[in-house]
Amino acid sequence: KAGVTQTPRYLIKTRGQQVTLSCSPISGHRSVSWYQQTPGQGLQFLFEYFSETQRNKGNFPGRFSGRQFSNSRSEMNVSTLELGDSALYLCASSLPTSLGETQYFGPGTRLLVL
Amino acid sequence: AQRVTQPEKLLSVFKGAPVELKCNYSYSGSPELFWYVQYSRQRLQLLLRHISRESIKGFTADLNKGETSFHLKKPFAQEEDSAMYYCARKNGSGYALNFGKGTSLLVTP
Repeated sequence: KAGVTQTPRYLIKTRGQQVTLSCSPISGHRSVSWYQQTPGQGLQFLFEYFSETQRNKGNFPGRFSGRQFSNSRSEMNVSTLELGDSALYLCASSLPTSLGETQYFGPGTRLLVL
Repeated sequence: AQRVTQPEKLLSVFKGAPVELKCNYSYSGSPELFWYVQYSRQRLQLLLRHISRESIKGFTADLNKGETSFHLKKPFAQEEDSAMYYCARKNGSGYALNFGKGTSLLVTP
């Protein structure tokens, strides 16, 4: 099976703009989670979607939003970008197994806000 | 908050030496804990989970509820073990994870 894919891989935006990142999970996976990775804060959970519904949400401002489509593909949107939003955004899809779920991560989208 | 703490940012050991990467978690019920690894220029990937009590690439991790720890151990480190290691805890009822800030392991010859 193909792995989790994320587009675009790199993005440069300016303050105040908005951005949309896309994630395609592994076929058959219904859960998609998003994380922000920065050198200072490490990996921080943004939100998780399961069957088009947001199931969990991290401690991020409302400028960060997401959605999931019926084919399990997910998008996250950041509005009114700030310099501090520069980060690697990781998407992960999950599949439950007898041992519990395993999250499979994508390569990430690196966002630079100028 | 269900915190995960990795006290060491960097750990450097010689090849063949034992290695232990520390992970502590804030107590809350029965945690589900994981170790993830990121090799250079590769994706973050699951190394092992406490529920399976498995050994992967020679690494093991034991959940110690009394000390609220889930340290990762390997008796003889190899150069190819050099990577970033993250301890993580399942957050809530879904599949979300709370990660520690990671420990960079460097194994030198």
